[in-house]
Amino acid sequence: DIQMTQSPSSLAASVGDRVTMTCRASQGIGSHLAWYQQKPGKLPKVLIYSASTLQSGVPSRFSGSGSGTDFTLTISSLQPEDVATYYCQKYNSAPRTFGQGTKVEIK
Amino acid sequence: EVQLVESGGGLVQPGGSLRLSCAASGFNFGTYWMSWVRQAPGKGLEWVANIEEDGSEKYYVDSVKGRFTISRDNAKNSVYLQMNSLRVEDTAVYYCARDTGWSEYWGQGTLVTVSS
Repeated sequence: DIQMTQSPSSLAASVGDRVTMTCRASQGIGSHLAWYQQKPGKLPKVLIYSASTLQSGVPSRFSGSGSGTDFTLTISSLQPEDVATYYCQKYNSAPRTFGQGTKVEIK
Repeated sequence: EVQLVESGGGLVQPGGSLRLSCAASGFNFGTYWMSWVRQAPGKGLEWVANIEEDGSEKYYVDSVKGRFTISRDNAKNSVYLQMNSLRVEDTAVYYCARDTGWSEYWGQGTLVTVSS
């Protein structure tokens, strides 16, 4: 099975900073990748699908890029409400594996 | 409005069984894949299983193969997860989710605790 590895596992940045996190697949998955945000005690919320398509209603400061094995989620200007854990998920085939998550905090 | 409501969780001893249910409304249930995803306390998301629109294709994560069975009843707009031979490490909140590859809609989850 294809493994999904996210880095870093956690990061702390200041409000207004540009934040970047990565997700690497152990084999190519095309653009079949989604990014989710999960705030403490809340349900996961899809931010990006097809690697770079912004889900309706998601702020434009979120963006995704990549294809094949290497993917990036960028927050262009970190806001206090962005404190959460972010997960990538592959969906080219089963199992639809999630990465282990990147926890984002405010410095 | 899309709604997914899980039920059936609870406390069970190792080796025991539980059947989770997920009732869907607000969309044409029979035209969507459905998934189960779990989250152990303080841990990340783990995809568990999914099922095709008519129930003919089913897929599982390796750790539950042979123990869990996903099924659906399109007449009742419901998806199920039969969990047998439960282990301590199956303890988690179990979510059902509408599966379009990614999952836009999630239920609130039902807690399964496996403990003696």
